[in-house]
Amino acid sequence: DTGVSQNPRHKITKRGQNVTFRCDPISEHNRLYWYRQTLGQGPEFLTYFQNEAQLEKSRLLSDRFSAERPKGSFSTLEIQRTEQGDSAMYLCASSQQGWGTDTQYFGPGTRLTVL
Amino acid sequence: QKEVEQDPGPLSVPEGAIVSLNCTYSNSAFQYFMWYRQYSRKGPELLMYTYSSGNKEDGRFTAQVDKSSKYISLFIRDSQPSDSATYLCAMSAGGTSYGKLTFGQGTILTVHP
Repeated sequence: DTGVSQNPRHKITKRGQNVTFRCDPISEHNRLYWYRQTLGQGPEFLTYFQNEAQLEKSRLLSDRFSAERPKGSFSTLEIQRTEQGDSAMYLCASSQQGWGTDTQYFGPGTRLTVL
Repeated sequence: QKEVEQDPGPLSVPEGAIVSLNCTYSNSAFQYFMWYRQYSRKGPELLMYTYSSGNKEDGRFTAQVDKSSKYISLFIRDSQPSDSATYLCAMSAGGTSYGKLTFGQGTILTVHP
């Protein structure tokens, strides 16, 4: 399967703990995005990378959140000192930069539950 | 007020019905319009992509964009039980913002046999 993959698929943690999620994009895609989706809502943009450069960050991305894409391939999203409000589905998407906007392909998501 | 408004439904229709899903938006900079389908506990899957105003058809699906009214629609003809999912509209401005999609809340659709 050559789609976007995310690991782990589910994560349960206690408040105050740190968590890290991984996203592996479609191999030829140079853009990678993170979104957060809470129950009954659409995904909300968090950040995106073009190759290894982080080009845009949402105001939703507090200083407890950090994302990296060290070699322009996979990406990690870390949440420090988790809070119950961080419970959500974290979605990763990738695309190939082209004319106009780019078509984003989503992974299956990582569902985070903070107890 | 959210930039993109979408009626969350839920919407329940019999098999074979024509389904109409809609979104309105407030940001006149949006130029690219998409519809995604999301099954329970899965990631969104791209269904339709449209640039600026106009219609686009793909099989049983038709997407319409009316930029003057800031209104987009997705029509599903001959709906099937397998179409039961959450449908999300998404938009982007292009230019320096074209990495960022703004989504509607999603409409939950159930097609019953």
